[in-house]
Parts: sequence; C-alpha cells; structure tokens
Amino acid sequence: EPEVTQTPSHQVTQMGQEVILRCVPISNHLYFYWYRQILGQKVEFLVSFYNNEISEKSEIFDDQFSVERPDGSNFTLKIRSTKLEDSAMYFCASSEARSRGFGYTEAFFGQGTRLTVV
Amino acid sequence: AQSVTQPDIHITVSEGASLELRCNYSYGATPYLFWYVQSPGQGLQLLLKYFSGDTLVQGIKGFEAEFKRSQSSFNLRKPSVHWSDAAEYFCAVGNPNFGNEKLTFGTGTRLTIIP
Repeated sequence: EPEVTQTPSHQVTQMGQEVILRCVPISNHLYFYWYRQILGQKVEFLVSFYNNEISEKSEIFDDQFSVERPDGSNFTLKIRSTKLEDSAMYFCASSEARSRGFGYTEAFFGQGTRLTVV
Repeated sequence: AQSVTQPDIHITVSEGASLELRCNYSYGATPYLFWYVQSPGQGLQLLLKYFSGDTLVQGIKGFEAEFKRSQSSFNLRKPSVHWSDAAEYFCAVGNPNFGNEKLTFGTGTRLTIIP
C-alpha cells in the first residue's frame, strides 16, 4: 500500500540552526501539507502546497518557515532559525484532490518527524 | 471558526469490552468529519470519514462512527476492542470548501487496553 514517508524520524538541533524536514508523498498525489503537534497540544495545520506554490498557510507559518518541492518526489519543510518553541512532531500529508469542488479525497499522513530544539 | 473537542484525554478498557470515544465539533454547516489513529511510532492513519449521506459510517479495523447533527457529535465506537487497538485517537473536522487544508484536530484520546 502506498504511504507517505518522512525523514528523519527524530532530529535534535540547536536553537538558531536551520533544519530541513523531508517527506516523500504518495506518487500520484497533487496536494501536499505540513501539520505539527506540540507535545500535549492539538495537531495544527501549517501549510498546503499545490502546483509548486503555497495554496494556504496558517498564522503559525511565518517567514521562518518555507516549503519546497525540489524534485518530482520530495516535499520539504525548512525552518531557518529554530526556536525552542518549534519543538514538535511535524507531519507531512498528501492527497489526490483538495476540496469538494475538486473531488475531495482524504489526506494520508506520514509517521512524523519529532523535532527537538535545544 | 471550527473547533473539535475530545473530552476524554485517557480511556482504559478491558480487552473484549466495547468502546466509545467522544467527539464534539463546532461548525456552522455540515463539516467533513474524520477519525485518525496513531499507534506508537506510526503516522496518523485514517479510520473513517463522513462527508454526507448515511450518518453511520463504517471504517477499518471494525470501527464505526455516527454523525449526530443535533448533538454536533461524531463518536467513534467498536463493539469489542483488541489489545492492538491501544493507540491515540484523533477526531478532526474539515471545511468542505477547503478540503484537507485547515483540518482542525482534537487533542486526542489515548486508549489503553488491559487484559
């Protein structure tokens, strides 16, 4: 069964360092997403990406964050200068379609990358 | 703004017993509703979803959920739990106009199964 894969599973970084979280979405999917979950809190939407550009982003997704699809298979989330409060589990997801008008299908999530900023 | 409440942070159930996990949502119209499960070290796996139609939906692993508009609820049920059902369960609501963008999740319910 196709799945979304994320690497690494756990990353520890020093405050102020840049990190790149990597995801390989399901191959025929067109929409890609990042969500995060701070320990003990809700899973929160960060950003969605379609046709090589951001389609929606939350207020969390500020200038410190960026996303990229550098090739035909990878989807990355970059945090330029990490803060302690960026420590969280980051989930990548992908879907075939987006919303009701486009033929809605559910999102498939990866296993997550646990980011620890020290 | 849409929101989801899962009132039970942690539930313990005996193996073979029935299970009901509660989910209440706040949304102005009929939302899309989902239940996801996360086993240790695993990603979020979709158990079932409700878009429209029959309010009782069947999912994988023997789970079902019922959409009750009058109660703004989407509770997850299973008639007989197995030890492998021990996991974290998340209810989520989506805006039909935004699809997977801005899925709003609950805080999750951790399910422990005892022999």
